Amino acid sequence: EAQVTQNPRYLITVTGKKLTVTCSQNMNHEYMSWYRQDPGLGLRQIYYSMNVEVTDKGDVPEGYKVSRKEKRNFPLILESPSPNQTSLYFCASSPHGARDIQYFGAGTRLSVL
Amino acid sequence: QKEVEQNSGPLSVPEGAIASLNCTYSDRGSQSFFWYRQYSGKSPELIMFIYSNGDKEDGRFTAQLNKASQYVSLLIRDSQPSDSATYLCAVNEAGGTSYGKLTFGQGTILTVHP
Repeated sequence: EAQVTQNPRYLITVTGKKLTVTCSQNMNHEYMSWYRQDPGLGLRQIYYSMNVEVTDKGDVPEGYKVSRKEKRNFPLILESPSPNQTSLYFCASSPHGARDIQYFGAGTRLSVL
Repeated sequence: QKEVEQNSGPLSVPEGAIASLNCTYSDRGSQSFFWYRQYSGKSPELIMFIYSNGDKEDGRFTAQLNKASQYVSLLIRDSQPSDSATYLCAVNEAGGTSYGKLTFGQGTILTVHP
């Protein structure tokens, strides 16, 4: 089954404790992206990757890191989480870029205390 | 920062009516336009995409694009209670350094009541 898999689905952590949210797709898509969703603000793009070893900032990259060492994986790293990063996070992938239809993961709900 | 604005909701329509959802965007270079539906607690799923000026129809859904007015809309005919969801407009500017960027509006909550 074609899918985008995020883990974990739910995470509660404390300020400053490094964490990684994983994202994996099995559709051989070149493009992957991370979004956060907050009430009243829609989805805001954090980082995106056009291909392996190619990443770029979205609209809200501060406090986040990403890497794309393999085509299928695009982890989101919060090296020192803060309460303002409490949010619902979505990973998405598409064949070639933001012009294509995006396939979303199920989401990760993060709470930073 | 490029902006995408959707009509403020929530929007409530009776079953069987036409629901009209609107979206404006600030960047004239935008090339690709999408409507996603998101049920509460779920991830967004694609409803329609449109690249050219005019109308595009798919079943009960019609997307309308007017690049001169920087306006894209989604019409849902014969609305059903199952259409009750948040609708997200998304815009991409193809080319240049923004090829990978996708900007979403804040979403419009639609409720279809029996």
